[in-house]
Amino acid sequence: EAQVTQNPRYLITVTGKKLTVTCSQNMNHEYMSWYRQDPGLGLRQIYYSMNVEVTDKGDVPEGYKVSRKEKRNFPLILESPSPNQTSLYFCASSPATATRGEAFFGQGTRLTVV
Amino acid sequence: QQQVKQSPQSLIVQKGGISIINCAYENTAFDYFPWYQQFPGKGPALLIAIRPDVSEKKEGRFTISFNKSAKQFSLHIMDSQPGDSATYFCAAEIRGNYQLIWGAGTKLIIKP
Repeated sequence: EAQVTQNPRYLITVTGKKLTVTCSQNMNHEYMSWYRQDPGLGLRQIYYSMNVEVTDKGDVPEGYKVSRKEKRNFPLILESPSPNQTSLYFCASSPATATRGEAFFGQGTRLTVV
Repeated sequence: QQQVKQSPQSLIVQKGGISIINCAYENTAFDYFPWYQQFPGKGPALLIAIRPDVSEKKEGRFTISFNKSAKQFSLHIMDSQPGDSATYFCAAEIRGNYQLIWGAGTKLIIKP
């Protein structure tokens, strides 16, 4: 089954404790991205990657890191999480020559930083 | 310039009625306008999309109307059903950019 898989689905952590949210897709998509979703603000892009070893900042990159060492994986790293990073996070992927605008989303990771 | 403004923030419609969600944009470089549907606990999923050279696109009960001169587009859900209750996002994309610019979302509730 074609899918984008994020782990974990839920995470509670303490301020300053480094964490990684994993994202993997099995559709051989070139383009992957991370979003955060907050009430009233919709989806805001954190980082995106056009292909292996190619990443760039989205609209809200501060406090986050990403890497793209393999085509299928695009982990999101919070090196020193803070309470304002409490949010619902989504990973998405799409093929570079896709039907335009069609992004496939994971199930989401609800992160709480206390 | 990069924003997509979506309204209303929330909407309650009786079963069988028409749900209408509106979006407006400024950047004329946008050339693809998808709508996504998100159910609680799930990621958004593509519902329907339109290009600016088309004024209307219909898929089942879902229709996008596009007004290029006004830089507005809207989603119409005909014969709305309780199963349509979800959050709807409009978005816009610039050709070759691969970045989607998102509206803030509309929480739609269909009352039985």
